[in-house]
Amino acid sequence: QVQLQESGPGVVKPSETLSLTCTVSGGSVSSGSYYWSWIRQPPGKGLEWIGYIYYSGNTNYNPSLKSRVTISVDTSKKQFSLNLSSVTAADTAVYYCARGIAAAGFFAFDYWGQGTLVTVSS
Amino acid sequence: SSELTQDPAVSVALGQTVRITCQGDSLRSYYASWYQQKPGQAPVLVIYGKNNRPSGIPDRISGSRPGNTASLTITGAQAEDEADYYCHSRDTSGNHLVFGGGTKLTVL
Repeated sequence: QVQLQESGPGVVKPSETLSLTCTVSGGSVSSGSYYWSWIRQPPGKGLEWIGYIYYSGNTNYNPSLKSRVTISVDTSKKQFSLNLSSVTAADTAVYYCARGIAAAGFFAFDYWGQGTLVTVSS
Repeated sequence: SSELTQDPAVSVALGQTVRITCQGDSLRSYYASWYQQKPGQAPVLVIYGKNNRPSGIPDRISGSRPGNTASLTITGAQAEDEADYYCHSRDTSGNHLVFGGGTKLTVL
């Protein structure tokens, strides 16, 4: 059974960089079949895709966040990470890591972490 | 605004059938995936691809995609089906991913 667990600071100051790590157990981040992803949800609002990284290191980001987002992977630690720079209060959200699967005509997130609330506040 | 449009809220009587829809031009080319999210919990994948259910998802939940509208149908709605439901797919360019705004399902 694949499990994902987010970790990182719960509070980040405005203009600083938000950094989160997702640890994967029961599976490998070096598998060629999966897209290791970050998704966020502001309090009381809907889901927003942030981006993903393929095991090869190829990345794909939401165009609205692309200038501020970096996703990286550490296969030896079975972890992947999110850096979001120059944060503002609008970046306050629950951040989820998830595993993406893709095949002909579809993309889906089949496993999710429990989520971690990050608040941007001075 | 999202490229995938969902009704904000839908209600259904206990035991009846309800359809939750998701509209978007990209759905003419790509299937939607559907997620169920209960308060304080992470989303759970319930439908992906043409009409595939992950292990543990009851067969009273099904999906379809006529034209540019994807539908999630719950046949014989139960109290435990009350949740927010989100659709998800690729955007019209096919290069990025988008979520619908979500539909809050109330079981009366």
